[in-house]
Amino acid sequence: ILNVEQSPQSLHVQEGDSTNFTCSFPSSNFYALHWYRWETAKSPEALFVMTLNGDEKKKGRISATLNTKEGYSYLYIKGSQPEDSATYLCAFLVHYGGATNKLIFGTGTLLAVQP
Amino acid sequence: GAVVSQHPSWVICKSGTSVKIECRSLDFQATTMFWYRQFPKQSLMLMATSNEGSKATYEQGVEKDKFLINHASLTLSTLTVTSAHPEDSSFYICSASVSQGAREQYFGPGTRLTVT
Repeated sequence: ILNVEQSPQSLHVQEGDSTNFTCSFPSSNFYALHWYRWETAKSPEALFVMTLNGDEKKKGRISATLNTKEGYSYLYIKGSQPEDSATYLCAFLVHYGGATNKLIFGTGTLLAVQP
Repeated sequence: GAVVSQHPSWVICKSGTSVKIECRSLDFQATTMFWYRQFPKQSLMLMATSNEGSKATYEQGVEKDKFLINHASLTLSTLTVTSAHPEDSSFYICSASVSQGAREQYFGPGTRLTVT
């Protein structure tokens, strides 16, 4: 059974703090790892699709790194703002050759940024 | 771009009735659509994958006769929960891809189903 774990489960920080969370996934048969940002009552928004070991991607104040050999990815938020408050999901993409790819999700990290 | 809508956003139904949830890709054609379910404090779990014009493929443990999926067009998939019971109360969310092997999935906002 493929398992994706995220930590911490929740995080409360002050505005301006930098923060990071972890996603652990199977290190074998890696295809891609997704990060999503999910605000309440909205659709999960794709942040990054990471495919190569050592990948580092950045979008504004948010960045992510990937280590496929040891099976983890970090998401960093620099100078957190209240609008960053959301649940951050990672998902491991399972590839079945010519068949459909499937996403296996972690339980997410709930970030609350206090003004 | 890549917007997916879902309707309704929440629904309450009585035990034994059926309820239909719609998932639409608004600005792209979705060859493949996915249906997920999330119980409290758990992760999104894939229920089934559907390709336009084909029968859906259900994940292990998901009853295909209870969760009917139709993907009759490139912009619409429906999930019908038949003879709903309180244990079917959950958050249902769909996603869509432009092709079967695409890496990206675009999500709808989800539907909260409560069965009384």
